[in-house]
Amino acid sequence: DADVTQTPRNRITKTGKRIMLECSQTKGHDRMYWYRQDPGLGLRLIYYSFDVKDINKGEISDGYSVSRQAQAKFSLSLESAIPNQTALYFCATSRTSGTGELFFGEGSRLTVL
Amino acid sequence: GDSVTQMEGPVTLSEEAFLTINCTYTATGYPSLFWYVQYPGEGLQLLLKATKADDKGSNKGFEATYRKETTSFHLEKGSVQVSDSAVYFCALRINQAGTALIFGKGTTLSVSS
Repeated sequence: DADVTQTPRNRITKTGKRIMLECSQTKGHDRMYWYRQDPGLGLRLIYYSFDVKDINKGEISDGYSVSRQAQAKFSLSLESAIPNQTALYFCATSRTSGTGELFFGEGSRLTVL
Repeated sequence: GDSVTQMEGPVTLSEEAFLTINCTYTATGYPSLFWYVQYPGEGLQLLLKATKADDKGSNKGFEATYRKETTSFHLEKGSVQVSDSAVYFCALRINQAGTALIFGKGTTLSVSS
């Protein structure tokens, strides 16, 4: 079983719909992240959380919100999806100490029509 | 701000050719540097890392040396295989509290037999 699990893996939705992407981890890490990947743009950080009570905006947080329900769970919401939010979304975790190495889930592909 | 610049791809090579993917960085502090690899349909996984100047990271025949004087962390492999076909991301993390990884845009490598 994957250490970092993302659901759903694929989702097609319509403009204006609310979407939630969920992430759970069994690695026992305190830190969790949401990135989006777009062709030619690499990975860009949306939100990150260093513990259950800590939420931080990343480079591209507009149009997104997050919830850290527990140490192991970090969900990303699109309140009103728009087509330019079509992308591949990755959840990642890391230890509090150490070099900051990230451990990634397998990604959630979202298409907004 | 802090950033990573990678050579643009795609890079197309024949099996057993020598590979170099250039990566340079801009950072306000002293970062840790990483190379991640993304195989088709998968999430990113750490390939190698270096935490201080002159360190050499290595894994699976890939190497990269942290060069502070040229602010570079170029990825090399002496003899590529078809199975090395993937997207490669250079990333940095400033070694201070409250920071996340910053990624380059990725370089696609395609190796043919």
